[in-house]
Amino acid sequence: SQTIHQWPATLVQPVGSPLSLECTVEGTSNPNLYWYRQAAGRGLQLLFYSVGIGQISSEVPQNLSASRPQDRQFILSSKKLLLSDSGFYLCAWSVGQKNEKLFFGSGTQLSVL
Amino acid sequence: AQSVTQPDIHITVSEGASLELRCNYSYGATPYLFWYVQSPGQGLQLLLKYFSGDTLVQGIKGFEAEFKRSQSSFNLRKPSVHWSDAAEYFCAVGRHGSGNTGKLIFGQGTTLQVKP
Repeated sequence: SQTIHQWPATLVQPVGSPLSLECTVEGTSNPNLYWYRQAAGRGLQLLFYSVGIGQISSEVPQNLSASRPQDRQFILSSKKLLLSDSGFYLCAWSVGQKNEKLFFGSGTQLSVL
Repeated sequence: AQSVTQPDIHITVSEGASLELRCNYSYGATPYLFWYVQSPGQGLQLLLKYFSGDTLVQGIKGFEAEFKRSQSSFNLRKPSVHWSDAAEYFCAVGRHGSGNTGKLIFGQGTTLQVKP
């Protein structure tokens, strides 16, 4: 069966520090991978998606970047965190060419202080 | 532009009462519609989805939703709410373009509180 792992579960970082959140998927090949962010009191916003290794599309301009070094690994990064980067980050995957269901990880609560 | 609106930020119902969570969307073509549930501190779980066909969709945990094209709505319903249904609920619409799956637009969410 397919599983998605996302870590860490919680993270507190000072402003200006770097960030690296990792997400891995097991039990499937060539998934589409996504990073979503849920800011406090708001819905989810798609940040990045990837349809293959090294292929990253950014949905909104921001202080973050994403990379996909392996087929089932998706990394969210920042060189210098801002206060506005605080939020709940969710990794997700899907397969296929239609809008099939997304499978979400358990999320990372990031607090930038 | 595509958008999803959940008019109710917070809803409180008594256990055993019926539930309806509202969702309205703006979309230029036939949408793909989803309802997700997020329990505290957890990721999202798909409750149900609508792609085409029968406009009344059955999901997990006793939930159903009805697609009404004339009203641009996809409201979520449950006949009898259980205390374990307390969570945040998100409506989402699938986006056209690029053939890429998973590029969803989410509503702001509705927090459901269940009174004993």
